[in-house]
Amino acid sequence: QKEVEQDPGPLSVPEGAIVSLNCTYSNSAFQYFMWYRQYSRKGPELLMYTYSSGNKEDGRFTAQVDKSSKYISLFIRDSQPSDSATYLCAMRGWSGANSKLTFGKGITLSVRP
Amino acid sequence: DTAVSQTPKYLVTQMGNDKSIKCEQNLGHDTMYWYKQDSKKFLKIMFSYNNKELIINETVPNRFSPKSPDKAHLNLHINSLELGDSAVYFCASSQAPGQGFYEQYFGPGTRLTVT
Repeated sequence: QKEVEQDPGPLSVPEGAIVSLNCTYSNSAFQYFMWYRQYSRKGPELLMYTYSSGNKEDGRFTAQVDKSSKYISLFIRDSQPSDSATYLCAMRGWSGANSKLTFGKGITLSVRP
Repeated sequence: DTAVSQTPKYLVTQMGNDKSIKCEQNLGHDTMYWYKQDSKKFLKIMFSYNNKELIINETVPNRFSPKSPDKAHLNLHINSLELGDSAVYFCASSQAPGQGFYEQYFGPGTRLTVT
């Protein structure tokens, strides 16, 4: 079992849809949970991060972490064509061997006008 | 102005050749990283340097050798290139690892194609 599993894609939705992207993980030492967005032919950029369990909202984006289930989600409301990109979940622990960033495989989202 | 820059952007070479990729960051960060992203978009860390000292060395063939001449630069040299080395290589930088959150900033990537 990989340390971080991400729902396979690709995913295609119409403009205005609510999108749900999910990852599960196995390492209970993970404390920081991140979502990166990567446009085609570009480097990943941090979209949001959450520490431990809970929700975090930023505009149309909401990140959720449930440490008891080892499950994280990113919700995109009112999706726009400009949201079309690959979304990568990433996570890490406090320090030592767990401090390196471990990524999910990424899911490519396409928002149709 | 670019925070993390890489050269070259594209690299096409034949099997068996030796090549280098260069990375520079102007963010004043102490820590730099090399990642490999395969054709399925899976991003995996290869190496990390903190203040010119190697701190992360994942299971990577020893044909790959990183070198950090100073805190702002991290180069990756690859010997005897193989077909399986074809991928996009990303450099990243961050403040020094420690407790608390720190963001990693990624470069634009170097697309390596081995023929």
